[in-house]
Amino acid sequence: EIVLTQFPGTLSLSPGERATLSCRASQSVSSNYLAWYQQKPAQAPRLLIYGASRRATGIPDRFSGSGSGTDFTLTISRLEPEDFAVYYCHRYGASHTFGQGTKLEIK
Amino acid sequence: QLQLQESGPGLVKPSETLSLTCTVSGGPISSSTYFWGWIRQPPGRDLEWIGSIYYSASAYYDPSLKSRVTMSVDTSKNQFSLKLSSVTAADTAVYYCARQMGSPTYYFDYWGQGTLVTVSS
Repeated sequence: EIVLTQFPGTLSLSPGERATLSCRASQSVSSNYLAWYQQKPAQAPRLLIYGASRRATGIPDRFSGSGSGTDFTLTISRLEPEDFAVYYCHRYGASHTFGQGTKLEIK
Repeated sequence: QLQLQESGPGLVKPSETLSLTCTVSGGPISSSTYFWGWIRQPPGRDLEWIGSIYYSASAYYDPSLKSRVTMSVDTSKNQFSLKLSSVTAADTAVYYCARQMGSPTYYFDYWGQGTLVTVSS
C-alpha cells in the first residue's frame, strides 16, 4: 500500500509570501493520479488540483501543482488571508490514500 | 452549485450499526458521469476511503471494511446512504460524503461538511 507523507506538518507564513507544500509517496504514483484539497475549520474539503497539476474549476491561478513519480508539490504563489487552512494530498487510482495534512498558519 | 449534506445519529453504541445519509442538492444523483463516495477521518488520523456507489446501485468498498459496509442509493430523494455494522470505538470519526468523477477510483470534486459519529456506550 502506498503511504503519502506531507511536509512540513505546519508552515508559518505571512500574507503575500510564497508557500511550498510537499507530498512524498512511498512508491511511484501511476498516471500522476495525485490530488490536493484545502480544508478550513467546519468546512467541506475543497478540491484544488487533480492529475498532479490540473487546477479544478474556479481555483485561482495562484495555486499550482507539480511533480511526478514519488514527489509532488503544491505551490501558492502569493498567500491571501483566505488561504490559511489545512491542505491534504490524495493518491487515487487503484486505491485511495491520503496524506496526514499540512497546516498553513499565519505567522 | 452542488451541495452535499450528511445526516444521521452522532452517537452509536458498540456492536450496533452506524447509518448515515447524504442528501445531494444542485444536481441529480442519477447522472451517468459521477460516483458517490464516503470517506472518514478518525481523530488524529488520516482520511480513509470507505466506498463508492453509482446511481445504478453498483457499489465498491475498501477491502478492509467490505465485510461490514453496505451502501445504497435513492434517486427519488437524491440521496445515498452508508451502513457500517458491528461498530467499535475505532469507527469513531468524522464521516464525509463526496462526489467522484467518473470512477470509484477517481478524485473527489465536491464534499459535504462532514458529521462526527462517536461510538460509545
